[in-house]
Amino acid sequence: EAGVAQSPRYKIIEKRQSVAFWCNPISGHATLYWYQQILGQGPKLLIQFQNNGVVDDSQLPKDRFSAERLKGVDSTLKIQPAKLEDSAVYLCASSSGVRAGLAGEPSQETQYFGPGTRLLVL
Amino acid sequence: GENVEQHPSTLSVQEGDSAVIKCTYSDSASNYFPWYKQELGKGPQLIIDIRSNVGEKKDQRIAVTLNKTAKHFSLHITETQPEDSAVYFCAAPRQLTFGSGTQLTVLP
Repeated sequence: EAGVAQSPRYKIIEKRQSVAFWCNPISGHATLYWYQQILGQGPKLLIQFQNNGVVDDSQLPKDRFSAERLKGVDSTLKIQPAKLEDSAVYLCASSSGVRAGLAGEPSQETQYFGPGTRLLVL
Repeated sequence: GENVEQHPSTLSVQEGDSAVIKCTYSDSASNYFPWYKQELGKGPQLIIDIRSNVGEKKDQRIAVTLNKTAKHFSLHITETQPEDSAVYFCAAPRQLTFGSGTQLTVLP
């Protein structure tokens, strides 16, 4: 079974530029997550999709970050404009259950993570 | 809001010794408690998980114990090996809040 794919693996940009990350989840997985992991910290959830609908985006800085999951499969995360503090690893994960992780409902589905995209903002 | 505290932040053990990492959580509705291992340059990988209807689960050298009354769960690694060196994360509640991580170093 193929894992979660992410691209690019590395990206260096200057502040105020824009950047986009792509994620392809495990085939058939209904739920997709984007996390931000700053060096030395645990992953922080940015947004959660169930199929092509947003379940939770309460921690997404919506003034500069956006994400979409068209057709309920692949997803893109965009930052525009980037700031120095956006330097981090952006992780994508997916899980299988249709009812996994509905907002306010405990999630009991295993999450499978991709390798991440390492972003450096200069 | 939801809070997960993980201790210690760093842990060094001699090869063959045991390692224990502990997490406490605040959301009493949590009923699923996973542990992830993250190696350098890779995404986190699930190594063991436990659901609230059991107090302990074991998989070879790895075990997880859960105390729902005290709201904490722990990862136990026995007979540690150099390849166990990595960063370990707990996650709760709702699996969407991660601890701050423990850097485990197994010294040969």
